[in-house]
Amino acid sequence: QVQLVESGGGVVQPGRSLRLSCAASGFAFNSFAMHWVRQAPGKGLEWVAGLSYDGSNEYHGDSVKGRFTISRDNSKNTLYLQMNSLRVEDTAVYYCARGSRETDYWGQGTLVTVAP
Amino acid sequence: DIQMTQSPSTLSASVGDRVTISCRASQDISNWLAWYQQKPGKAPKLLIYRASSLESGVPSRFSGSGSGTEFTLTISSLQPDDFATYYCQQNDNYPLTFGGGTKVEIK
Repeated sequence: QVQLVESGGGVVQPGRSLRLSCAASGFAFNSFAMHWVRQAPGKGLEWVAGLSYDGSNEYHGDSVKGRFTISRDNSKNTLYLQMNSLRVEDTAVYYCARGSRETDYWGQGTLVTVAP
Repeated sequence: DIQMTQSPSTLSASVGDRVTISCRASQDISNWLAWYQQKPGKAPKLLIYRASSLESGVPSRFSGSGSGTEFTLTISSLQPDDFATYYCQQNDNYPLTFGGGTKVEIK
């Protein structure tokens, strides 16, 4: 069965960095585009970044452009999100999700808290 | 960026009610629209893709319609398991964008 397991969340100070990972299993990871979507406490969903199946095309939302980078290692079936220059407003649960357009499988999420 | 506007933001309904949620895109997105259901503390679940295609395993009481800029999610007979928050998402262009959500509450 398809599984997506995020890790790497935690508490970090503003301005610091964090790298999230998403371990995929149960499907041909190298055939699917992947995304990161976040949800601030009590708020709605915000798409963060997306990456094509082979890593050749990457897209980032305006609020994270220049600070966050999405990448993947198809040999390890793993998706990453490198988050630099973190801000208090980046506090959220971060989900990885599979799909080129709509996303049909989601992980359980990992919480990132940015606080002084 | 394409803005997605959902209405209402909150909806109170009873078991057995027919429920309709609207989603409007700020520009033509053809049928590149998905609907998701989210329950507290859980990841979103895909219900509908391409505006009207039912995801595998999703009950047939859920249906989607629309194209261009106006879309609708309908639950034909609300069940206890359906009380949740629903989001539309356009996936026509990057950045992908979500509507603000519609919380379906028990009346």
